[in-house]
Amino acid sequence: AQSVTQLDSQVPVFEEAPVELRCNYSSSVSVYLFWYVQYPNQGLQLLLKYLSGSTLVKGINGFEAEFNKSQTSFHLRKPSVHISDTAEYFCAVRSQGGSEKLVFGKGTKLTVNP
Amino acid sequence: DGGITQSPKYLFRKEGQNVTLSCEQNLNHDAMYWYRQDPGQGLRLIYYSQIVNDFQKGDIAEGYSVSREKKESFPLTVTSAQKNPTAFYLCASSSRGLQETQYFGPGTRLLVL
Repeated sequence: AQSVTQLDSQVPVFEEAPVELRCNYSSSVSVYLFWYVQYPNQGLQLLLKYLSGSTLVKGINGFEAEFNKSQTSFHLRKPSVHISDTAEYFCAVRSQGGSEKLVFGKGTKLTVNP
Repeated sequence: DGGITQSPKYLFRKEGQNVTLSCEQNLNHDAMYWYRQDPGQGLRLIYYSQIVNDFQKGDIAEGYSVSREKKESFPLTVTSAQKNPTAFYLCASSSRGLQETQYFGPGTRLLVL
């Protein structure tokens, strides 16, 4: 079985500052990794995903994430955040064999202050 | 426009009442999912269906039921056996395959009167 730990439940930053949202996973098999964003009272939208190949993945809205197999991490980064990036961010994992179910972390609420 | 619609946006349930949440997709996806979201808990899988007329329990299926009679539709019934139904419910769909992205609807917020 897989599990996902998002190390920070809340991250406050100032506008134009860099941000990193941390995600660690646990799995006995290889995995696919996903980051989703949720704006208040809305559904989730895919930011980016890692399937294979380059460990640095670029997504929408200027976000990127780096897959680190040895540290079982998939941290999300943005070099300069905007007020509009205020949202909740979810990391998710799926095993490369077996069930198509996604396992989600508990989320990190990013608040960008002026 | 292709997408996933959920209705209603808000739903109120009285004690002992069953209520049904609607989820429709026009993305031609085979797989559909229902999640429950509580504050600080992330998303937990209730039921999923990989093909018409077939569905499987997720991690928290007790007190819920589903049907999948059409490819486009995957309604969720919250039964009176679900003692704590207040939550935000999200429906998702995807093509089959482990690399495929799940796409989400806008959600239904269920409140208990």
